[in-house]
Amino acid sequence: TQLLEQSPQFLSIQEGENLTVYCNSSSVFSSLQWYRQEPGEGPVLLVTVVTGGEVKKLKRLTFQFGDARKDSSLHITAAQPGDTGLYLCAGIITGTASKLTFGTGTRLQVTL
Amino acid sequence: GAVVSQHPSWVICKSGTSVKIECRSLDFQATTMFWYRQFPKQSLMLMATSNEGSKATYEQGVEKDKFLINHASLTLSTLTVTSAHPEDSSFYICSVGVGSHYYEQYFGPGTRLTVT
Repeated sequence: TQLLEQSPQFLSIQEGENLTVYCNSSSVFSSLQWYRQEPGEGPVLLVTVVTGGEVKKLKRLTFQFGDARKDSSLHITAAQPGDTGLYLCAGIITGTASKLTFGTGTRLQVTL
Repeated sequence: GAVVSQHPSWVICKSGTSVKIECRSLDFQATTMFWYRQFPKQSLMLMATSNEGSKATYEQGVEKDKFLINHASLTLSTLTVTSAHPEDSSFYICSVGVGSHYYEQYFGPGTRLTVT
């Protein structure tokens, strides 16, 4: 059973478009992270959210943690080809010490 | 954050041989490191938690005798795949946990293992 479901699984859009990736779970997370991974490389941490309802911005990326800390979203404005990659949400379930559970992943392709 | 390296970046070995993968924390003393496995087009699956100076904690379904983990210092953890078989071919990635609850993890660049 996958504890963190991401949607969509795959997204192909043109440069300049906006998009939102969702990360959902039935479990409560004490913290949630978003990573981006390029082929043949390890994931790179983008952001960490810990408070329900928290919103963080990183240039054109906006991250939101759900009020109940069971879900999160990543919104990209005016996507660019450099945004192409695998986006992974990951979180620590409340009560489980330090183990990071990864989402199913969203593969984003941005074309010119 | 933390800067993490892995060696080798890729390795090809014959079935039945053993392969050692190194994970180094270059600028952070890591009491805890994590080993993940990733199949093509899939997400990361935690294999084990590596604890400096003590035994690793393995996830359910991961054979501890097949995937030997040693964390002898605060900067080095090793994963040895013993008697490798083609089904062990995968992308192996380590990470370093930072913070009081290790909720931020910084990943190495990964090691691609191909067993022929």
